[in-house]
Amino acid sequence: AQKITQTQPGMFVQEKEAVTLDCTYDTSDQSYGLFWYKQPSSGEMIFLIYQGSYDEQNATEGRYSLNFQKARKSANLVISASQLGDSAMYFCAMREARRGGADGLTFGKGTHLIIQP
Amino acid sequence: NAGVTQTPKFQVLKTGQSMTLQCAQDMNHEYMSWYRQDPGMGLRLIHYSVGAGITDQGEVPNGYNVSRSTTEDFPLRLLSAAPSQTSVYFCASRLAGGHPGETQYFGPGTRLLVL
Repeated sequence: AQKITQTQPGMFVQEKEAVTLDCTYDTSDQSYGLFWYKQPSSGEMIFLIYQGSYDEQNATEGRYSLNFQKARKSANLVISASQLGDSAMYFCAMREARRGGADGLTFGKGTHLIIQP
Repeated sequence: NAGVTQTPKFQVLKTGQSMTLQCAQDMNHEYMSWYRQDPGMGLRLIHYSVGAGITDQGEVPNGYNVSRSTTEDFPLRLLSAAPSQTSVYFCASRLAGGHPGETQYFGPGTRLLVL
């Protein structure tokens, strides 16, 4: 079974609209972290936001927020007031705390977001 | 700080050739790792290291070797390149420790084409 599922291969959104990128995860660990990364066409991986499994508040970083629903095992990324520069691939990832997190990040397959003017 | 650096940026190999992808970080991070990214896939972990002299396998280790002689450097070796190793390779580093929220810093990536 996939540990990270991103069900939207691609999305087209009008500039200035809010965007929700879906992510569901699967783990039996109680302690884990969820991450979102942005990969523009230039190829680098840019860290956006982090949510810990024990965090009671949803994480926010500027225009990015994470809608964390633990019981449903979902960690959707919300981008408010989208901009043309938000066009990129977006990856959801998880790190489980077992073995000190040594197993690294498990990534979803990504969502290609295109912002239209 | 330069962060995580990778060389080369691009490389073309013939099947059977060997090469080493270089990765260095100047943040004194104990944990370093290598990922590969294939079209339509997220990143997958190849090998990782929790400190100098300590390495272990990730999800897709076959065909790759690593070593960690210093904290700063974590080279990835392809002993006999195959077309299936055509990919984009990312090196990453972070502080070690059990907190799952430690930020992981990625290098800019190496694009490898094996003919």
